[in-house]
Amino acid sequence: NAGVMQNPRHLVRRRGQEARLRCSPMKGHSHVYWYRQLPEEGLKFMVYLQKENIIDESGMPKERFSAEFPKEGPSILRIQQVVRGDSAAYFCASSRQGNTEAFFGQGTRLTVV
Amino acid sequence: QQQVKQSPQSLIVQKGGISIINCAYENTAFDYFPWYQQFPGKGPALLIAIRPDVSEKKEGRFTISFNKSAKQFSLHIMDSQPGDSATYFCAASLNTGNQFYFGTGTSLTVIP
Repeated sequence: NAGVMQNPRHLVRRRGQEARLRCSPMKGHSHVYWYRQLPEEGLKFMVYLQKENIIDESGMPKERFSAEFPKEGPSILRIQQVVRGDSAAYFCASSRQGNTEAFFGQGTRLTVV
Repeated sequence: QQQVKQSPQSLIVQKGGISIINCAYENTAFDYFPWYQQFPGKGPALLIAIRPDVSEKKEGRFTISFNKSAKQFSLHIMDSQPGDSATYFCAASLNTGNQFYFGTGTSLTVIP
Protein backbone atom coordinates (compact mmCIF):
# COMPACT_ATOMS: atom_id res chain seq x y z
CA ASN A 1 0.00 0.00 0.00
CA ALA A 2 1.32 3.40 -0.91
CA GLY A 3 1.62 5.80 1.98
CA VAL A 4 0.54 9.40 2.05
CA MET A 5 1.94 11.06 -1.04
CA GLN A 6 2.87 14.71 -1.07
CA ASN A 7 4.17 16.70 -3.98
CA PRO A 8 6.22 18.50 -4.77
CA ARG A 9 8.85 17.56 -2.17
CA HIS A 10 10.58 20.91 -2.60
CA LEU A 11 9.07 24.12 -3.88
CA VAL A 12 10.75 27.47 -4.40
CA ARG A 13 8.61 30.55 -4.92
CA ARG A 14 9.38 34.24 -5.21
CA ARG A 15 7.60 36.64 -2.90
CA GLY A 16 4.13 37.36 -4.22
CA GLN A 17 3.74 34.11 -6.16
CA GLU A 18 1.30 31.32 -5.36
CA ALA A 19 2.25 27.99 -3.84
CA ARG A 20 0.11 24.92 -4.39
CA LEU A 21 0.82 21.85 -2.29
CA ARG A 22 -0.79 18.48 -2.99
CA CYS A 23 -1.57 15.58 -0.72
CA SER A 24 -2.94 12.19 -1.75
CA PRO A 25 -4.14 10.27 1.31
CA MET A 26 -3.63 6.58 1.88
CA LYS A 27 -6.10 4.28 0.19
CA GLY A 28 -9.32 4.09 2.18
CA HIS A 29 -8.59 7.27 4.13
CA SER A 30 -11.08 10.12 3.85
CA HIS A 31 -9.70 12.41 6.57
CA VAL A 32 -6.80 14.77 5.89
CA TYR A 33 -4.88 17.06 8.23
CA TRP A 34 -2.37 19.74 7.26
CA TYR A 35 0.44 20.80 9.59
CA ARG A 36 3.27 23.32 9.31
CA GLN A 37 6.71 22.81 10.82
CA LEU A 38 9.40 25.45 11.16
CA PRO A 39 13.05 24.37 11.58
CA GLU A 40 13.75 22.96 15.05
CA GLU A 41 10.10 23.43 16.01
CA GLY A 42 7.05 21.29 16.51
CA LEU A 43 4.05 20.65 14.32
CA LYS A 44 1.39 23.34 14.16
CA PHE A 45 -2.10 22.36 13.12
CA MET A 46 -3.57 24.22 10.16
CA VAL A 47 -6.70 22.51 8.87
CA TYR A 48 -8.70 19.29 9.01
CA LEU A 49 -10.77 18.17 6.05
CA GLN A 50 -12.99 15.33 5.03
CA LYS A 51 -14.02 14.71 1.46
CA GLU A 52 -15.55 17.95 0.12
CA ASN A 53 -15.76 19.48 3.61
CA ILE A 54 -13.56 21.66 5.78
CA ILE A 55 -14.16 20.45 9.33
CA ASP A 56 -11.75 22.62 11.31
CA GLU A 57 -9.62 25.46 9.94
CA SER A 58 -8.87 27.07 13.28
CA GLY A 59 -5.10 26.90 12.68
CA MET A 60 -5.17 28.43 9.24
CA PRO A 61 -4.19 32.10 8.78
CA LYS A 62 -7.28 34.06 7.78
CA GLU A 63 -5.72 35.54 4.67
CA ARG A 64 -3.83 34.04 1.74
CA PHE A 65 -4.24 30.42 2.88
CA SER A 66 -6.93 28.02 1.69
CA ALA A 67 -7.42 24.27 1.56
CA GLU A 68 -9.69 21.87 -0.24
CA PHE A 69 -10.28 18.15 -0.49
CA PRO A 70 -12.46 17.52 -3.53
CA LYS A 71 -14.51 14.42 -4.18
CA GLU A 72 -11.93 13.33 -6.74
CA GLY A 73 -8.23 14.04 -6.55
CA PRO A 74 -5.78 15.13 -3.88
CA SER A 75 -6.17 17.62 -1.11
CA ILE A 76 -4.68 20.98 -1.99
CA LEU A 77 -3.18 23.58 0.33
CA ARG A 78 -2.94 26.88 -1.47
CA ILE A 79 -0.89 29.87 -0.35
CA GLN A 80 -1.41 33.06 -2.29
CA GLN A 81 1.07 35.95 -2.46
CA VAL A 82 3.71 34.08 -0.48
CA VAL A 83 6.00 35.93 1.92
CA ARG A 84 9.35 34.92 3.43
CA GLY A 85 7.62 33.88 6.65
CA ASP A 86 5.72 31.16 4.79
CA SER A 87 8.99 29.24 4.32
CA ALA A 88 8.51 25.99 6.22
CA ALA A 89 7.86 22.29 5.83
CA TYR A 90 4.20 21.49 5.25
CA PHE A 91 3.01 18.03 6.16
CA CYS A 92 -0.27 16.34 5.56
CA ALA A 93 -1.57 13.30 7.37
CA SER A 94 -4.48 11.01 6.62
CA SER A 95 -6.66 8.67 8.64
CA ARG A 96 -9.70 6.45 8.15
CA GLN A 97 -11.61 8.50 10.70
CA GLY A 98 -10.91 11.16 13.26
CA ASN A 99 -9.19 10.45 16.56
CA THR A 100 -7.38 7.38 15.33
CA GLU A 101 -4.16 6.37 13.60
CA ALA A 102 -2.94 9.16 11.34
CA PHE A 103 -0.07 8.70 8.91
CA PHE A 104 2.07 11.54 7.62
CA GLY A 105 3.55 12.16 4.22
CA GLN A 106 7.16 13.18 3.60
CA GLY A 107 6.24 16.84 3.44
CA THR A 108 6.70 19.73 1.04
CA ARG A 109 9.52 22.08 1.88
CA LEU A 110 8.55 25.54 0.72
CA THR A 111 11.23 28.18 0.32
CA VAL A 112 10.23 31.74 -0.47
CA VAL A 113 12.99 33.85 -1.98
CA GLN B 1 -1.11 27.79 25.16
CA GLN B 2 0.68 24.49 24.79
CA GLN B 3 -1.92 21.75 25.20
CA VAL B 4 0.69 19.00 25.53
CA LYS B 5 3.93 19.65 27.37
CA GLN B 6 6.92 17.48 26.51
CA SER B 7 10.26 17.00 28.24
CA PRO B 8 13.18 16.85 28.00
CA GLN B 9 13.95 18.97 24.95
CA SER B 10 17.03 16.86 24.26
CA LEU B 11 18.32 13.56 25.54
CA ILE B 12 21.61 11.69 25.20
CA VAL B 13 21.66 7.99 26.01
CA GLN B 14 24.31 5.32 25.75
CA LYS B 15 23.71 2.42 23.40
CA GLY B 16 21.80 -0.27 25.24
CA GLY B 17 20.33 2.16 27.74
CA ILE B 18 16.71 3.19 28.31
CA SER B 19 15.42 6.42 26.80
CA ILE B 20 12.49 8.02 28.62
CA ILE B 21 10.46 10.93 27.25
CA ASN B 22 7.61 12.45 29.22
CA CYS B 23 4.45 14.31 28.28
CA ALA B 24 1.73 15.98 30.32
CA TYR B 25 -1.68 17.34 29.39
CA GLU B 26 -4.52 19.23 31.05
CA ASN B 27 -7.58 18.50 28.94
CA THR B 28 -9.26 15.40 30.33
CA ALA B 29 -11.27 15.10 27.11
CA PHE B 30 -8.17 13.85 25.28
CA ASP B 31 -8.62 10.17 24.59
CA TYR B 32 -6.00 9.15 22.06
CA PHE B 33 -2.25 9.55 22.61
CA PRO B 34 0.18 8.69 19.78
CA TRP B 35 3.94 8.99 19.61
CA TYR B 36 5.76 9.90 16.41
CA GLN B 37 9.38 9.53 15.36
CA GLN B 38 10.89 11.96 12.88
CA PHE B 39 14.24 11.77 11.12
CA PRO B 40 15.76 14.90 9.52
CA GLY B 41 14.13 15.71 6.22
CA LYS B 42 11.39 13.12 6.69
CA GLY B 43 7.80 13.13 7.80
CA PRO B 44 6.75 12.00 11.29
CA ALA B 45 6.21 8.25 11.49
CA LEU B 46 3.63 6.77 13.85
CA LEU B 47 5.43 4.64 16.45
CA ILE B 48 2.89 3.56 19.01
CA ALA B 49 -0.34 4.90 20.49
CA ILE B 50 -2.51 4.37 23.55
CA ARG B 51 -6.02 5.14 24.80
CA PRO B 52 -6.74 6.00 28.45
CA ASP B 53 -8.44 2.70 29.24
CA VAL B 54 -5.05 0.97 29.54
CA SER B 55 -2.02 1.93 31.62
CA GLU B 56 0.67 0.46 29.42
CA LYS B 57 1.21 -0.65 25.85
CA LYS B 58 4.30 -2.35 24.51
CA GLU B 59 5.42 -2.87 20.92
CA GLY B 60 8.88 -4.33 20.56
CA ARG B 61 11.38 -2.06 22.30
CA PHE B 62 8.85 0.78 22.63
CA THR B 63 6.51 1.10 25.61
CA ILE B 64 3.96 3.77 26.48
CA SER B 65 3.14 4.22 30.16
CA PHE B 66 -0.06 6.12 30.84
CA ASN B 67 -1.11 7.67 34.16
CA LYS B 68 -4.65 8.96 33.80
CA SER B 69 -4.91 10.47 37.29
CA ALA B 70 -1.68 12.42 36.84
CA LYS B 71 -2.52 13.29 33.23
CA GLN B 72 0.88 12.13 32.10
CA PHE B 73 2.21 9.63 29.63
CA SER B 74 5.70 8.60 28.66
CA LEU B 75 7.62 6.74 25.99
CA HIS B 76 10.26 4.25 27.02
CA ILE B 77 12.75 2.97 24.46
CA MET B 78 14.50 -0.11 25.76
CA ASP B 79 17.95 -1.18 24.55
CA SER B 80 18.36 2.14 22.73
CA GLN B 81 20.32 1.96 19.47
CA PRO B 82 22.13 4.63 17.42
CA GLY B 83 19.45 4.13 14.76
CA ASP B 84 16.88 5.42 17.29
CA SER B 85 18.53 8.85 17.14
CA ALA B 86 15.69 11.10 15.96
CA THR B 87 13.17 13.62 17.20
CA TYR B 88 10.19 12.19 19.07
CA PHE B 89 6.84 13.91 19.39
CA CYS B 90 3.99 13.03 21.68
CA ALA B 91 0.48 14.06 20.72
CA ALA B 92 -3.09 13.96 21.95
CA SER B 93 -6.47 14.23 20.32
CA LEU B 94 -10.05 14.74 21.45
CA ASN B 95 -12.83 12.31 20.72
CA THR B 96 -14.05 14.80 18.11
CA GLY B 97 -10.80 14.05 16.29
CA ASN B 98 -10.42 17.48 14.76
CA GLN B 99 -6.69 17.75 15.27
CA PHE B 100 -3.71 16.29 17.02
CA TYR B 101 -2.05 18.53 19.59
CA PHE B 102 1.69 17.94 19.47
CA GLY B 103 4.36 18.34 22.10
CA THR B 104 7.41 20.43 21.24
CA GLY B 105 9.58 17.39 20.52
CA THR B 106 12.58 15.63 22.08
CA SER B 107 15.82 15.26 20.19
CA LEU B 108 17.26 11.87 21.12
CA THR B 109 20.89 10.99 20.48
CA VAL B 110 22.07 7.46 21.20
CA ILE B 111 25.83 7.26 21.39
CA PRO B 112 27.68 4.01 20.60
